[in-house]
Amino acid sequence: DAGVIQSPRHEVTEMGQEVTLRCKPISGHDYLFWYRQTMMRGLELLIYFNNNVPIDDSGMPEDRFSAKMPNASFSTLKIQPSEPRDSAVYFCASSFGRGGAETQYFGPGTRLLVL
Amino acid sequence: EDQVTQSPEALRLQEGESSSLNCSYTVSGLRGLFWYRQDPGKGPEFLFTLYSAGEEKEKERLKATLTKKESFLHITAPKPEDSATYLCAVWSGGYQKVTFGTGTKLQVIP
Repeated sequence: DAGVIQSPRHEVTEMGQEVTLRCKPISGHDYLFWYRQTMMRGLELLIYFNNNVPIDDSGMPEDRFSAKMPNASFSTLKIQPSEPRDSAVYFCASSFGRGGAETQYFGPGTRLLVL
Repeated sequence: EDQVTQSPEALRLQEGESSSLNCSYTVSGLRGLFWYRQDPGKGPEFLFTLYSAGEEKEKERLKATLTKKESFLHITAPKPEDSATYLCAVWSGGYQKVTFGTGTKLQVIP
């Protein structure tokens, strides 16, 4: 298994531009998570899906952030417009839920820099 | 709101010098506590899950323990390859939502 795949690995953009991050979860996993990691705040959960349906988006910082999961093998996190304070590493993770918080497998992350 | 505090923020050890990392938590009802390892430029990698006070898990030089208020990750005779950031996370609610601590950055010097 290739594991969780994220693209791009690095993204540099200018303030005000739209940014789209992509994630392919591990086949067969029914939960998908988007996290943001910064030095100051650590790893923060932004949103998670179960069977392609958003379950909890309370971690999404503001309306500039949106996430979709059109099918079981693909998800996007979009920031529009981007701001310098959005600079962080964004991780996607997936798991197979059997009623508990099972092991989450993380992707390699997308390092975003907004100038 | 669940809170997870890890200490120390950074730890430097000589190879073979055993030590412990601490994870203190405040949750409404703990359902599980997780330890992850994160190498630079990579995503967190799962190490252990602990479900109840008194439980212990071991893997090579690592041993995780759990009480009602905190968890410890004991590192016995560490090697340079154990250098990484160790993250603790707690699960207290429904579904799969977990809350992470900010981690302890461990450096093992040869």
